Amino acid sequence: EVQLVESGGGLAKPGGSLRLSCAASGSTFSNAWMSWVRQAPGKGLEWVGRIKSNTDGGTTDYAAPVKGRFTISRDDSRNTLYLQMNSLKTEDTAVYYCAMYSGGNWLPHFDYWGQGTLVTVSS
Amino acid sequence: QSALTQPASVSGSPGQPITISCTGTSSDVGNYNLVSWYQQHPGKVPKLIIYEVNKRPSGVSDRFSGSKSGNTASLTISGLQAEDEADYYCCSYAGFSYVFGAGTKVTVL
Repeated sequence: EVQLVESGGGLAKPGGSLRLSCAASGSTFSNAWMSWVRQAPGKGLEWVGRIKSNTDGGTTDYAAPVKGRFTISRDDSRNTLYLQMNSLKTEDTAVYYCAMYSGGNWLPHFDYWGQGTLVTVSS
Repeated sequence: QSALTQPASVSGSPGQPITISCTGTSSDVGNYNLVSWYQQHPGKVPKLIIYEVNKRPSGVSDRFSGSKSGNTASLTISGLQAEDEADYYCCSYAGFSYVFGAGTKVTVL
């Protein structure tokens, strides 16, 4: 059974930075394309970005609201996904989920989700 | 990329069928058979209930079904039950990105 566990959430000031982690177990993490999805309080789901497996190039794509401010990376030796968030804005306040497709080498949908970690951006 | 359009709320009595629509564009829903649906109960993690328009993951009730016509996808819950009361989100692949709907709150009367 795949397990995803996020950490690193907390309070940050506008303009500040925060790094989230997502530890994966129970799957071949190195083959998986991984995503971050966020949910502002009382709002809907919003895709944040995606990273391909390193065997597929390890390239990243981002949603427009975070492009240039957020960076997704991965450490396959630690089975861990990261989200570096810089130049934070109050509208980045949300629960951040890591999500994946367990079939590997593609990301047609998200069949496994972490429990989420709350990021609050406030002065 | 604009969010997919879903009704804010849908309600039905136990045993009745309901349908939730999800309207996108020719760049997302209309161009890919990669529409998925997620169920989220309050305070819980989203759960995949439909993928690739009309496929159900193992363990998901067959009361849930999906379809697509043009730029609009739909989720039908047949025989509504109390435990179906939740928020439902559609999602479509859109090339190098993914777009979610704003969500539909399903209420069981």
